Amino acid sequence: KQEVTQIPAALSVPEGENLVLNCSFTDSAIYNLQWFRQDPGKGLTSLLLIQSSQREQTSGRLNASLDKSSGRSTLYIAASQPGDSATYLCAVKAGTALIFGKGTTLSVSS
Amino acid sequence: KAGVTQTPRYLIKTRGQQVTLSCSPISGHRSVSWYQQTPGQGLQFLFEYFSETQRNKGNFPGRFSGRQFSNSRSEMNVSTLELGDSALYLCASSLVSISGLNTGELFFGEGSRLTVL
Repeated sequence: KQEVTQIPAALSVPEGENLVLNCSFTDSAIYNLQWFRQDPGKGLTSLLLIQSSQREQTSGRLNASLDKSSGRSTLYIAASQPGDSATYLCAVKAGTALIFGKGTTLSVSS
Repeated sequence: KAGVTQTPRYLIKTRGQQVTLSCSPISGHRSVSWYQQTPGQGLQFLFEYFSETQRNKGNFPGRFSGRQFSNSRSEMNVSTLELGDSALYLCASSLVSISGLNTGELFFGEGSRLTVL
């Protein structure tokens, strides 16, 4: 059974810091891995999608990597800003369902 | 291009009642899936529909059901509501390849927040 774990559960950093969020999964047989952002009381906003054949994807200040063999993905956020404060969720696609981690709640102070 | 639209956004029901939630996917997206989000369990998969057929179902009781219409819009229904059904219900849509394989990006709506009293 696929399980997704995100560490740390919460993270507080000052503005401007570069940071890494971690995601691990137990079964390497995945179609893709997707990172999302969720603001309080809101839906999920897709940040990056990495197909199983890819190693990384970049969008602006965000870079996500995927190592299927070790069951790990990282989301790198460069030069963090207060507007980056949110919960970040990773999810792996196995079959037709996404399996989500519990998320990392990020707080960036100005 | 309009995103995924869910209605209603908020609703309050009492135990034993039933509820129907609606989801309109992004234009052109034929796959619609539903997820339940609670503080304790996080995000859990409910079911996925493609071409009006349920392709996959998560580990939820039969009180949870859904359907998809020919225009790809979807509804989910929860009957005999329990206190534990209080949650944010999220709908997501995605493109599906000609072969029917769905390896694409999922786009979520804002959710329907259900409170059961």
